[in-house]
Amino acid sequence: DAKTTQPPSMDCAEGRAANLPCNHSTISGNEYVYWYRQIHSQGPQYIIHGLKNNETNEMASLIITEDRKSSTLILPHATLRDTAVYYCIVRVANLGAGSYQLTFGKGTKLSVIP
Amino acid sequence: DVKVTQSSRYLVKRTGEKVFLECVQDMDHENMFWYRQDPGLGLRLIYFSYDVKMKEKGDIPEGYSVSREKKERFSLILESASTNQTSMYLCASSFLISGNTIYFGEGSWLTVV
Repeated sequence: DAKTTQPPSMDCAEGRAANLPCNHSTISGNEYVYWYRQIHSQGPQYIIHGLKNNETNEMASLIITEDRKSSTLILPHATLRDTAVYYCIVRVANLGAGSYQLTFGKGTKLSVIP
Repeated sequence: DVKVTQSSRYLVKRTGEKVFLECVQDMDHENMFWYRQDPGLGLRLIYFSYDVKMKEKGDIPEGYSVSREKKERFSLILESASTNQTSMYLCASSFLISGNTIYFGEGSWLTVV
């Protein structure tokens, strides 16, 4: 099972881009990279996911290296409301019967500073 | 937008009470999940369901049961609440195929006194 390594915490100035790294050197060919975030006292919020290609949506961009051993989540213009714990997940535990779940690690606590 | 709605945001129950936590999703998802989240332990899977009336145990099913009578609704039941079940409970749902997104509800904070 692929595991991820993220820095425990990061700071980012408000209005600047926040670049959150994730290492997943044991990822296998059919495992997706997912990013979620969790603001205190709320449920995890889906941000973005990808397999091989870079992805962009209204919230963020996901850059996956060519060897797929690492990725970076980019929040282009961080605001105070982006302060949260960000989780990079590549493990999709097969529960059988076609079901699967995502296993959350400890994540990166991003603090956006005024 | 995908919506996973948990019926209660904050609950306080007494030891020994029967507790129902309800979850409804509006995206016709096959999979539904119940997790609990505790400081330092992360999210732990209690039960999941991949179809109506189907249920499977997760990592920590002891002391819990579930019910899925309709595709959109998944209930978590604490038959006899205990203080060690004080936690935040999260419901989630997704389509069956791997690679699809799992969406979470806002969470239910349960305190058992």
